[in-house]
Amino acid sequence: EVQLVESGGGLVQLGGSLRLSCAASGFTVSGHFMHWVRQAPGKGLVWVARISSDASSIVYADSVKGRFTLSRDIAKNTLHLQINSLRADDTAVYYCVRLSGTIIWGHGTLVTVSS
Amino acid sequence: EIVLTQSPGTLSLSPGERATLSCRASQSVSSSNLAWYQQKPGQAPRLLIYGASNRATGIPDRFSGSGSGTDFTLTISALEPEDFAVFYCQQYSTLPITFGQGTRLEIK
Repeated sequence: EVQLVESGGGLVQLGGSLRLSCAASGFTVSGHFMHWVRQAPGKGLVWVARISSDASSIVYADSVKGRFTLSRDIAKNTLHLQINSLRADDTAVYYCVRLSGTIIWGHGTLVTVSS
Repeated sequence: EIVLTQSPGTLSLSPGERATLSCRASQSVSSSNLAWYQQKPGQAPRLLIYGASNRATGIPDRFSGSGSGTDFTLTISALEPEDFAVFYCQQYSTLPITFGQGTRLEIK
């Protein structure tokens, strides 16, 4: 079955760090452009970052540039999103998404930033 | 950045009625890269339509998408009780990928 499963969310203090993971099954992440999208509580969907199929191009939304780092582990068929200097407005459900070929979304992982 | 504007913000209808949701883009979007999603509370978005008019696997045929260029429409021909939710359009043609602000479809 083709699916994406996110993990790594949790409660973290303002200014802290967290690493989110997205495990893919049923396909290889190296064959697709992959994205992260987030959704703050009660708000809409916002694109965060994208990694190209060969990982040569990684693009971030302006709001996270310099604080978020997207990478992948080919051996584990997994994406990682390192989030540093967390702010209150980073509180959101983070989704891993494949938009090439059949569109696939994970179920999301919740990040809550507390002061 | 391509801005997607959805209308109306809220749509109040009864089961059995027809729903028409609009998504207007600030610049032309490739039809092959326009999607519609349904989202219920506490759930991930569910893909309904991709490529502007192609139903995703398992989506009932009462859902249909149309449009091109800057104007796109999602139509639900006859609402079922489980259809009431928030709907988003998305363009994935150009970075940054953008979403509309959503249309809330509520039971009248």
